[in-house]
Amino acid sequence: AQTVTQSQPEMSVQEAETVTLSCTYDTSESDYYLFWYKQPPSRQMILVIRQEAYKQQNATENRFSVNFQKAAKSFSLKISDSQLGDAAMYFCAYRVRSNYQLIWGAGTKLIIKP
Amino acid sequence: GAVVSQHPSWVICKSGTSVKIECRSLDFQATTMFWYRQFPKQSLMLMATSNEGSKATYEQGVEKDKFLINHASLTLSTLTVTSAHPEDSSFYICSAGGLAGRSSYNEQFFGPGTRLTVL
Repeated sequence: AQTVTQSQPEMSVQEAETVTLSCTYDTSESDYYLFWYKQPPSRQMILVIRQEAYKQQNATENRFSVNFQKAAKSFSLKISDSQLGDAAMYFCAYRVRSNYQLIWGAGTKLIIKP
Repeated sequence: GAVVSQHPSWVICKSGTSVKIECRSLDFQATTMFWYRQFPKQSLMLMATSNEGSKATYEQGVEKDKFLINHASLTLSTLTVTSAHPEDSSFYICSAGGLAGRSSYNEQFFGPGTRLTVL
């Protein structure tokens, strides 16, 4: 069965510092996507970053970058220069290319200390 | 980007009544829509997957007669909670995937959610 595990229920970081959120997954598939979604207090799900499994290069989006280790089935999110607006729940998600259905992690609550 | 709307954003109803939640893709056509339920401080729980013009596929443990899903067009899916009870109170989120004609879009696009409170 395909699973996504986020082992950090909560993380806190000082404003302007860097934080890394962990995600591991289990799959026997070779062609898939990985995502990080952000859910702020408004509860609107916002896509932060995506990674295609066949791409070796780690995805980056401004202050957000991932460390994708395919062999280890690890997909961590690094947030640089943390801002107060980054405070939210962060969910790691996975899907195979052939199916739009997402498998979700339990989420990590990120707290930004001013 | 692709925009998904949900209506209503919040609803309060009496026990035993039915509530309909609409999910619309505003600027694109979606072949597949998903309905999720989210409890406080928890992850999204997939309830069902609906494809335009066909019956929805429900996840194990989700009562299809209680949570009626209709995906009548490529831009509209509805979730009707029938004979709602307090335990149905939750946050319901829809999303759209499989954008018709846009194979480059590989993620789901989410609606803002609907908060249902059953008294």
